[in-house]
Amino acid sequence: DVKVTQSSRYLVKRTGEKVFLECVQDMDHENMFWYRQDPGLGLRLIYFSYDVKMKEKGDIPEGYSVSREKKERFSLILESASTNQTSMYLCASSFRQGYEKLFFGSGTQLSVL
Amino acid sequence: RKEVEQDPGPFNVPEGATVAFNCTYSNSASQSFFWYRQDCRKEPKLLMSVYSSGNEDGRFTAQLNRASQYISLLIRDSKLSDSATYLCVVNGILTGGGNKLTFGTGTQLKVEL
Repeated sequence: DVKVTQSSRYLVKRTGEKVFLECVQDMDHENMFWYRQDPGLGLRLIYFSYDVKMKEKGDIPEGYSVSREKKERFSLILESASTNQTSMYLCASSFRQGYEKLFFGSGTQLSVL
Repeated sequence: RKEVEQDPGPFNVPEGATVAFNCTYSNSASQSFFWYRQDCRKEPKLLMSVYSSGNEDGRFTAQLNRASQYISLLIRDSKLSDSATYLCVVNGILTGGGNKLTFGTGTQLKVEL
């Protein structure tokens, strides 16, 4: 079974802190994605990566950056956390061919106070 | 107009009922369509793809109407275990190339005894 592991299930941070959300997949997938999910807004794509050291902006990249130094790991960075970044963050991965089958991690509920 | 729109529900139906969800999309160039299922406090998982000719998987039938730009999901003989949020997903093409999946906000289904 494909496993996508997110480092924390719940995280509480203060405004202005730098926050790292880690995601690791064990199926040698080329594609990795970061989404946030908010009530009434659904899943929105923040950043994605098709290969190591490669990154592309999604729909809402402002306030975020990412890092993909190794194929299996995709990190989301909040340089200076703000209260409007309180959300459920979901990491996903897929093969390049068959991209439509995303495998999601169980999510990180981030609260910024 | 949202790229992908769904009736949020909830749809409350008795066990054994047939229920249908619709989803509309705004980009006429969209090529691929999917339904994902998300259980409460869990990550989304691919339920089925939607093909132009319509497709069936057990009690689930998905259909696509390109002219009217909508997708439907029909669930027959609904079970308690079908209770979940159903996400309509549409593939779009990114400005720089590559594929992007756009998620609807989901339709909540509650199947009751």
